[in-house]
Amino acid sequence: AQSVTQPDIHITVSEGASLELRCNYSYGATPYLFWYVQSPGQGLQLLLKYFSGDTLVQGIKGFEAEFKRSQSSFNLRKPSVHWSDAAEYFCAVGGGGYQKVTFGTGTKLQVIP
Amino acid sequence: SAVISQKPSRDICQRGTSLTIQCQVDSQVTMMFWYRQQPGQSLTLIATANQGSEATYESGFVIDKFPISRPNLTFSTLTVSNMSPEDSSIYLCSVEFGGLGLSSSYNEQFFGPGTRLTVL
Repeated sequence: AQSVTQPDIHITVSEGASLELRCNYSYGATPYLFWYVQSPGQGLQLLLKYFSGDTLVQGIKGFEAEFKRSQSSFNLRKPSVHWSDAAEYFCAVGGGGYQKVTFGTGTKLQVIP
Repeated sequence: SAVISQKPSRDICQRGTSLTIQCQVDSQVTMMFWYRQQPGQSLTLIATANQGSEATYESGFVIDKFPISRPNLTFSTLTVSNMSPEDSSIYLCSVEFGGLGLSSSYNEQFFGPGTRLTVL
């Protein structure tokens, strides 16, 4: 069965600092990978996705993620964090077609001045 | 992409009552999903609601507790029946384009803003 692990429940970074959120997945074939962000009281917004091709994918709001098959990872990065990035981030994996999408447990990001 | 609205945005209900949550999409979609997000937790899929077929429920969720309707390609409802405090949660609907014989579904989902339910 597919699964997603986000090892960091909570991360605190200073505004302007770089950010990396970790995501490891388990899937038997080529995965479809996603990062979503959820601001307080909001639904989930798609930040970026990986289906195939270039393993470094760019998303909205200055985020990027790198797919590393050998490490079964899809870490999310941002070079300089803004206070408005404070939110919860979810990594997800699917297999396309009728495959269910599995979400990780989320990483809550706090940004301090 | 899609714009998805949910009603109500939040509600406080008494134990033993039922609440119906509506999900409206601004374009026709084949695949719709209902998730539950309990406080401080990730998303758990309740069921998949495809137009023209019965909803498919995940393990641990049953139709009697969470009946779903999908009358057309832009609308769905989820009812939380005979509520208890353990049903207090955020309920999210999402949509995915493609599916039903098409190979173009990449599992990219678009989410509604959620319905925050508190059961007393």
